[in-house]
Amino acid sequence: NAGVTQTPKFQVLKTGQSMTLQCAQDMNHEYMSWYRQDPGMGLRLIHYSVGAGITDQGEVPNGYNVSRSTTEDFPLRLLSAAPSQTSVYFCASSYSTGVYGYTFGSGTRLTVV
Amino acid sequence: DAKTTQPPSMDCAEGRAANLPCNHSTISGNEYVYWYRQIHSQGPQYIIHGLKNNETNEMASLIITEDRKSSTLILPHATLRDTAVYYCIVFYGSNDYKLSFGAGTTVTVRA
Repeated sequence: NAGVTQTPKFQVLKTGQSMTLQCAQDMNHEYMSWYRQDPGMGLRLIHYSVGAGITDQGEVPNGYNVSRSTTEDFPLRLLSAAPSQTSVYFCASSYSTGVYGYTFGSGTRLTVV
Repeated sequence: DAKTTQPPSMDCAEGRAANLPCNHSTISGNEYVYWYRQIHSQGPQYIIHGLKNNETNEMASLIITEDRKSSTLILPHATLRDTAVYYCIVFYGSNDYKLSFGAGTTVTVRA
């Protein structure tokens, strides 16, 4: 089925470990973004991309890296995990700047101990 | 970006219409009004959007006041599955790629 696929769905990391959250979409969307959601905080934008090879920072980029080598994939890398990065992460994509609505993935629940 | 104000929560009886208000008094002329919802633990789901005219789709209707300073999302026949957090967002569109989610309105549909 067409949509945004995030893997893994759940992950537990130890402080200082690194990992990559995967996001893939098969709708040929130009725009992709990563959000984190914490209790009582709503969704906050981490990084976004307007096309292959182009990325930019969002509201809370520190501690995260992204790259966009293909239209389909937009991985989020945690270089050295910290307990403050415990959160639910959502990836989203859209045809253009969101005028037609963003499609969100089902999320990755990350716990850093 | 314009800010939005929504009530933190509201209840609705199953089968009745749910009217969700949103204030966006500082909206600019080229900003759209978007509505998303998030059912527990799932990713947000796009519902509807509009610029100045009222809009309707299979999920909901969006009523935007003439001065565009407020809008109302209408779920015509609420079901238990409509229980979710509903977010009203203003979004420029052409050169803005960043959705800004506030706290939204928690809607509880009761049998």
